[in-house]
Amino acid sequence: AQKITQTQPGMFVQEKEAVTLDCTYDTSDPSYGLFWYKQPSSGEMIFLIYQGSYDQQNATEGRYSLNFQKARKSANLVISASQLGDSAMYFCAMREGSSSARQLTFGSGTQLTVLP
Amino acid sequence: EAQVTQNPRYLITVTGKKLTVTCSQNMNHEYMSWYRQDPGLGLRQIYYSMNVEVTDKGDVPEGYKVSRKEKRNFPLILESPSPNQTSLYFCASSLWHSGANVLTFGAGSRLTVL
Repeated sequence: AQKITQTQPGMFVQEKEAVTLDCTYDTSDPSYGLFWYKQPSSGEMIFLIYQGSYDQQNATEGRYSLNFQKARKSANLVISASQLGDSAMYFCAMREGSSSARQLTFGSGTQLTVLP
Repeated sequence: EAQVTQNPRYLITVTGKKLTVTCSQNMNHEYMSWYRQDPGLGLRQIYYSMNVEVTDKGDVPEGYKVSRKEKRNFPLILESPSPNQTSLYFCASSLWHSGANVLTFGAGSRLTVL
């Protein structure tokens, strides 16, 4: 079974509007972390935001926020006020267990295009 | 500048010709890892290392070797490359004691095996 599922291969959003990128995960470990990375066309992987399974509040970083719904096992990324520079591939990832040595498991990604 | 450096960034080679992709980090990170990225599959882990002389297999280790003789370096070795190893490769590192385990990635190495 897929541990991280991103069901939207591609998304379009108008500049200045908000957009939600979906991510669902599957784990039986009570301790886990969820990450979002951005990959622009230049190819590098840029860390955006992190949510721990025991965190009481949804993570926020500037225009990025993580809509964490633990019971539904979803960790959707919300980008507010989209900019043209937000056009990129976005990956959701999960680390299971409390040890930082565990690997990250990545979803297949969502290609976001921001329209002027 | 804190970074993970991979070389080469681009490489075209032929089947069976051994190659090494180097990876070096200057952040004194304990943990290092190699991923490959293929369309529709996201990133899949090849090997990882929790410390010097400690390496372990990820999800797709077949056809690859690694070594961790020094803390800063974690080369990926393809002893006999095949066309199915054509991919975009990323090296990444993180602090051992980082609860959030935020991986810092290199810029990627695009490998084509003919």
